[in-house]
Amino acid sequence: DIVMTQSPDSLAVSLGERATINCKSSRSVLFTSNNKNYLGWYQQKPGQPPRLLIYWASNRESGVPDRFSGSGSGTDFTLTISSLQAEDVAVYYCQQFYSTPLTFGGGTKVEIK
Amino acid sequence: QVQLVESGGGVVQPGGSLRLSCAASGFTFSNYGMHWVRQAPGKGLEWVAVISYDETYKYHVDSVRGRFTISRDNSKNTLYLQLNSLRSEDTGVYYCAKDAVAISGDNYFDYWGQGTLVTVSS
Repeated sequence: DIVMTQSPDSLAVSLGERATINCKSSRSVLFTSNNKNYLGWYQQKPGQPPRLLIYWASNRESGVPDRFSGSGSGTDFTLTISSLQAEDVAVYYCQQFYSTPLTFGGGTKVEIK
Repeated sequence: QVQLVESGGGVVQPGGSLRLSCAASGFTFSNYGMHWVRQAPGKGLEWVAVISYDETYKYHVDSVRGRFTISRDNSKNTLYLQLNSLRSEDTGVYYCAKDAVAISGDNYFDYWGQGTLVTVSS
């Protein structure tokens, strides 16, 4: 199984500042035949289901604000919120869909400082 | 618009059974792979199972294999999860989720239901 490790577990960022979340996979999730990283990012607010933010490591889902961006390749990935807004308070999860069983990171809780 | 509505959760004793349903609308259900993902109280997300659009492929995570069974009825636009031999560690919210891409099986999820709570307790 591919193990997904997120860091930090939580972070507090001032409004308007940058938030950076890291995700590391135990094996590469880059499929070399199509040069795609099988990595997604989700946001979950309290009492709500997760929401897809990013897929293929760096493609923003329709309707997601452009302050959210994803980067990385192979085993190391980053979700960046360029200018934190109050509505971004949530838990963020990475997920690999390279192989079954599909696996999620443990989550990173983002709060306002 | 896409809607996924889960039902069937509840309180059950250890060793008991439940059948969860997920009613889908707003898209061509028979073209998409579907998943169940669960979340224990206060914990992270755990993927449970997948079924392909045409039911030819099913996969269950090790922790539920042999106890849970995913199925679908494309004529009724409904996804199911049969939960047998339930344990306390199966307690949590169970979400159904839709593959973002039709047919291909690229397993990231663009829509999720609101979830149904399963509580296993004596």
